[in-house]
Formats: sequence, C-alpha cells, structure tokens
Amino acid sequence: EVQLQQSGAELVKPGASVKLSCTASGFNIKDTYMHWVKQRPEQGLEWIGRIDPANGNTKYDPKFQGKATITADTSSNTAYLQLSSLTSEDTAVYYCARERGYGSRYFDVWGAGTTVTVSS
Amino acid sequence: DIVLTQSPASLAVSLGQRATISCRASESVDSYGNSFMHWYQQKPGQPPKLLIYRASNLESGIPARFSGSGSRTDFTLTINPVEADDVATYYCQQSNEDPFTFGSGTKLEIK
Repeated sequence: EVQLQQSGAELVKPGASVKLSCTASGFNIKDTYMHWVKQRPEQGLEWIGRIDPANGNTKYDPKFQGKATITADTSSNTAYLQLSSLTSEDTAVYYCARERGYGSRYFDVWGAGTTVTVSS
Repeated sequence: DIVLTQSPASLAVSLGQRATISCRASESVDSYGNSFMHWYQQKPGQPPKLLIYRASNLESGIPARFSGSGSRTDFTLTINPVEADDVATYYCQQSNEDPFTFGSGTKLEIK
C-alpha cells in the first residue's frame, strides 16, 4: 500500500527550528516530486514547495524562501521539511504529499500531517 | 501568482440534490492541451483527498457523483446527488505555474 508516514507533533519555542519527516512506503520517492503544504488552524492550504529527490533540486513559493528548507534522503525513502526562526505564524499542520508522477502536477497521496505549535 | 477565487464560501444542500462549486483563476491554467486545475476534499482532522485532476478526470475510487468541468479560467466541481458523507471543505488547486496555489475553500453542509 502506498503511504506517507509523517513525524509526530512538535511544540517549539519562538526563534527555534524544527525538522519534520515524511517516510514513504509502497513507492520510491526518487520516481516523483515530493511536496509540502501548510494549513494554519481553521485556514486554507498553502503550497510551500517541492523537491526532486532524484537530484535534490527544490522549488519554493517565494513566501517561504528563507523559512522552509526541503531535503530528501533516498536511502531511507524520506523527505524532510525544516522550518527556521519560528514564530506564532508558523503554528500550523504541515502535510507532505506525493506528486503522482513527474509532470502530473497534482497530489494523489498525502501524509496525515504534523502539527507544529510555536509557543513559549 | 495565480489567484483562485472559489464561490460560494459555504453552501447548504439537501440530501439528493446537486451542489455546484465554482473556481475562477486570475489567469489561464491551460497548457499543452491540459487544464492544470484539480479538486480536493478535506474532512475535519484529515488530510485533503484528491477528487478530480486536470479539470475533469475522476480519481480512482471516487464516486461518479463527483464531476469536474471547465477550462482556462473557469472551473466547476459538481456533486450530484449529495450524500451525508460529502460534508467537507472542497479546494481547487492550480499547478500550471509556480507557485502552485489553492482556492480558499468551500464548506459544504447538509440542509
């Protein structure tokens, strides 16, 4: 079965950084793009960016440049999202999602989400 | 960035009736003969679920009650007939240009 398993909830202090993980099973992340999406409480969805795990190339929404860093480890079939200099604006659920195949440009498999709470 | 305007923000539909959700893009999302507009359903506490890809293609396992139409800047998601399990928020998403963007969502309730 194709699945994305995300890491557990995080409670972090303002100014700190956090690294979230997304481990794939049932497929090889090298075969497609992996994406990250943000959803603030009771708000809509925001695309953060994507990575091509085959070569490490990334693309971000400019809004998240400097805030988010997406990486991948093909040996563990895992994608990562690092968020830096956290503020209350970063309190949200973060989803990883699989692009169906290179160039499909839509998300057919989603992780359950990781809740990040920024609070002192 | 391509802005997606969804309407209505919420709607209440009786069981067995039709629900229609609109998504208008600030510029065309068509390229290479495809419309890069997709629809997702999100229930509380769950991740989004793909319903329709490239404007009108029904995702595997999704009931045929769901359908999508449109091209260029105007797109529609139709649910007919609405069932109780369809209570959720629905989002459109464009991927014709980076950055990918989502609509603000339409909350469907049962009347």
